[in-house]
Amino acid sequence: GAVVSQHPSWVICKSGTSVKIECRSLDFQATTMFWYRQFPKQSLMLMATSNEGSKATYEQGVEKDKFLINHASLTLSTLTVTSAHPEDSSFYICRPRPTSGQETQYFGPGTRLLVL
Amino acid sequence: GENVEQHPSTLSVQEGDSAVIKCTYSDSASNYFPWYKQELGKGPQLIIDIRSNVGEKKDQRIAVTLNKTAKHFSLHITETQPEDSAVYFCAASIDTGGFKTIFGAGTRLFVKA
Repeated sequence: GAVVSQHPSWVICKSGTSVKIECRSLDFQATTMFWYRQFPKQSLMLMATSNEGSKATYEQGVEKDKFLINHASLTLSTLTVTSAHPEDSSFYICRPRPTSGQETQYFGPGTRLLVL
Repeated sequence: GENVEQHPSTLSVQEGDSAVIKCTYSDSASNYFPWYKQELGKGPQLIIDIRSNVGEKKDQRIAVTLNKTAKHFSLHITETQPEDSAVYFCAASIDTGGFKTIFGAGTRLFVKA
């Protein structure tokens, strides 16, 4: 069965609204969470890296005030796209890093966001 | 900056034939090289990986080779099946923890029945 879940799997929203995406590691604890964005027919681009209980580190060009990341527990991290615009339409994928030191091999199933 | 080049971008093969995807990395500190398969609308799935102290690894119909001197690594799929059709990404990383992972651009594999 799935070891990483994301909710929702897809969402359509109006421009200007905020969307929250949840990522849960089901079989292990994750101190670190990687959040990626993937545009159609493109590769995965790292947006930010979050650690449980501390602020996320954002990649260059990613607005931290627009993409709010909360990593409040070892099994849950959320990404909120604030004031979404059509150019934010993308596939968002999380990737939890096991606290145990095991390989970071699982990605979430992804959340497709469409902003109208 | 560091990058990973992946070729070809699209590959079409007949069922039963072999498929080869090649990647080149630039960061000499990379020592972990995973390959992912991504089906439409889903997250990537790890299919095989190789560490820098190994030159080749095989898992049933899938094999990966690594030439650390040349900074090349390749994915080989034998006896392809229609369900192998997907996008494949190579990646290079300094460790297995996921930090500083650089992904290739992806190869869209079509296996024709």
